[in-house]
Amino acid sequence: TQLLEQSPQFLSIQEGENLTVYCNSSSVFSSLQWYRQEPGEGPVLLVTVVTGGEVKKLKRLTFQFGDARKDSSLHITAAQPGDTGLYLCAGESGGSNYKLTFGKGTLLTVNP
Amino acid sequence: ETGVTQSPTHLIKTRGQQVTLRCSSQSGHNTVSWYQQALGQGPQFIFQYYREEENGRGNFPPRFSGLQFPNYSSELNVNALELDDSALYLCASSLGRMYTGELFFGEGSRLTVL
Repeated sequence: TQLLEQSPQFLSIQEGENLTVYCNSSSVFSSLQWYRQEPGEGPVLLVTVVTGGEVKKLKRLTFQFGDARKDSSLHITAAQPGDTGLYLCAGESGGSNYKLTFGKGTLLTVNP
Repeated sequence: ETGVTQSPTHLIKTRGQQVTLRCSSQSGHNTVSWYQQALGQGPQFIFQYYREEENGRGNFPPRFSGLQFPNYSSELNVNALELDDSALYLCASSLGRMYTGELFFGEGSRLTVL
């Protein structure tokens, strides 16, 4: 069974601070996605990383895929209250198995 | 371009009952996946439908079943409801079976089983 462990589980910070959340597994994934989910809504895709060592930037968000494609991180610079939400990582194992395996998420609260 | 829509948004059932949840995929998408998200957990894969056929299934019992229609909309049926079936049920649509493309989720159907 493939598992994705996310840490920390909860994070509460002040506006303007930087933060990093982590997504780790003992399994290799062919691609990894990061989503943000707000209360009462479905997850919204932020980014997909495919290549080991890949770094993608989305405004103040920086995503990195580990060289071995087993882990990933999300770094947010100068967090804003609008960044508040549940951040989920999800891995695709490739082949004929088309499911996404999700972590439990990191619940981020950015206080004004 | 219409997004993924799910119905109903909220419903309450009692143990042993049956429920049908519906999903309209995003325009042009031929693949629908269903996920169960229990409180405080990440979504768990139930199954995927591609061009009206089941294309993969997660670790869920047979009382979870589904359909995909020619217009690519989909239904999730759950029989003999149990208390642990209480969760947010998410539908996601995509163009093709692989997830390296963009996956669009609906807002979910919140099921409470009493």
